[in-house]
Amino acid sequence: KNQVEQSPQSLIILEGKNCTLQCNYTVSPFSNLRWYKQDTGRGPVSLTIMTFSENTKSNGRYTATLDADTKQSSLHITASQLSDSASYICVVSAKAAGNKLTFGGGTRVLVKP
Amino acid sequence: EADIYQTPRYLVIGTGKKITLECSQTMGHDKMYWYQQDPGMELHLIHYSYGVNSTEKGDLSSESTVSRIRTEHFPLTLESARPSHTSQYLCASSVSGGGETQYFGPGTRLLVL
Repeated sequence: KNQVEQSPQSLIILEGKNCTLQCNYTVSPFSNLRWYKQDTGRGPVSLTIMTFSENTKSNGRYTATLDADTKQSSLHITASQLSDSASYICVVSAKAAGNKLTFGGGTRVLVKP
Repeated sequence: EADIYQTPRYLVIGTGKKITLECSQTMGHDKMYWYQQDPGMELHLIHYSYGVNSTEKGDLSSESTVSRIRTEHFPLTLESARPSHTSQYLCASSVSGGGETQYFGPGTRLLVL
């Protein structure tokens, strides 16, 4: 069964600090991996997308990495801001069945001043 | 910001009522999706459409129905709402090819009393 596991479930960090979120997946055959940011009460917004051949992708202060061999990805947030408080969702797409998406449970990040 | 809209944003309704959640996108995307998300939990696909007059059930069994008469419109209907339908419903759309990133609407929070 295709699965996406994220850790930690939740995280509290001080404003200005860095943090790293983890994503492990068993989706096969792998097509691509996305990180989404979901603010409370809103829909998710795409941050990065990586295919099999890409091992790092940046979007401002967000940097995602991918190790397709170990089936692991991370999202690094640099110099966190209060607006980074949100849930971060790892989503993996399988090549079969029309690029079906498998969603992780998300990591809830709270940035405190 | 994605051009995908959902109405209403919030809905409180009594058991047994018929409700329709609206979703429209102005990006000309051929694919549209409905997800159900309980607070703090992952998204579950309940319906999707790959084009006009095409609808399929998702991974999570749902008593709701959908229709896709026009490309830009993908309404979800519950014939008889129950308290177990209380959740957040997220609509998304994507265009075939090019990674197929899904763009999400703001969601509808439904409370059935």
